[in-house]
Amino acid sequence: AQSVTQPDIHITVSEGASLELRCNYSYGATPYLFWYVQSPGQGLQLLLKYLSGDTLVQGIKGFEAEFKRSQSSFNLRKPSVHWSDAAEYFCAVGLTDSWGKFQFGAGTQVVVTP
Amino acid sequence: NAGVTQTPKFRILKIGQSMTLQCAQDMNHNYMYWYRQDPGMGLKLIYYSVGAGITDKGEVPNGYNVSRSTTEDFPLRLELAAPSQTSVYFCASSYGPTGENIQYFGAGTRLSVL
Repeated sequence: AQSVTQPDIHITVSEGASLELRCNYSYGATPYLFWYVQSPGQGLQLLLKYLSGDTLVQGIKGFEAEFKRSQSSFNLRKPSVHWSDAAEYFCAVGLTDSWGKFQFGAGTQVVVTP
Repeated sequence: NAGVTQTPKFRILKIGQSMTLQCAQDMNHNYMYWYRQDPGMGLKLIYYSVGAGITDKGEVPNGYNVSRSTTEDFPLRLELAAPSQTSVYFCASSYGPTGENIQYFGAGTRLSVL
């Protein structure tokens, strides 16, 4: 069965430090991969996506993610975190053999300290 | 640009009551979705629609019903509310099939069933 795993439930990072959020998936083919961010009381906003091609993907707000097929991973990174990056981050997988099967990970809560 | 609008934002129901969660989008998207978000569980798909008059069950449809009479609206109906339906509900829409198309989310409806 397909699955999406975000191993870290909660991460605390200092403002200005780097951030890396992990995402692993289990799927028979290469899926479409997404990262969404959810600020408190808000809906989800797309940060970036990987469909094909270059495995390093740039997104909004200074985020990037790298698809590693050999590791079935799609980790999200940001070189220098801002206080406004405090939010919950979701990795999601769009399955290529079904029009709309879309699975979300459980999310990683990011806390930014001064 | 409204995007995806959900009403109400908050609601408290008593066990056995019924209610309809409203969702409207103004982007002329054919695909619409209802998710529920429980703590530590990510988002689970309840129902989805590929166009007016066409709906289908997602991962967790029990206790819910939907209809799609227009492209713009996709209401979610709870007939006999149960405490297990306490959750945050998100409506989303996309131009095309979810696999490779961005989903746009509403701000959510926080529902408590007591």
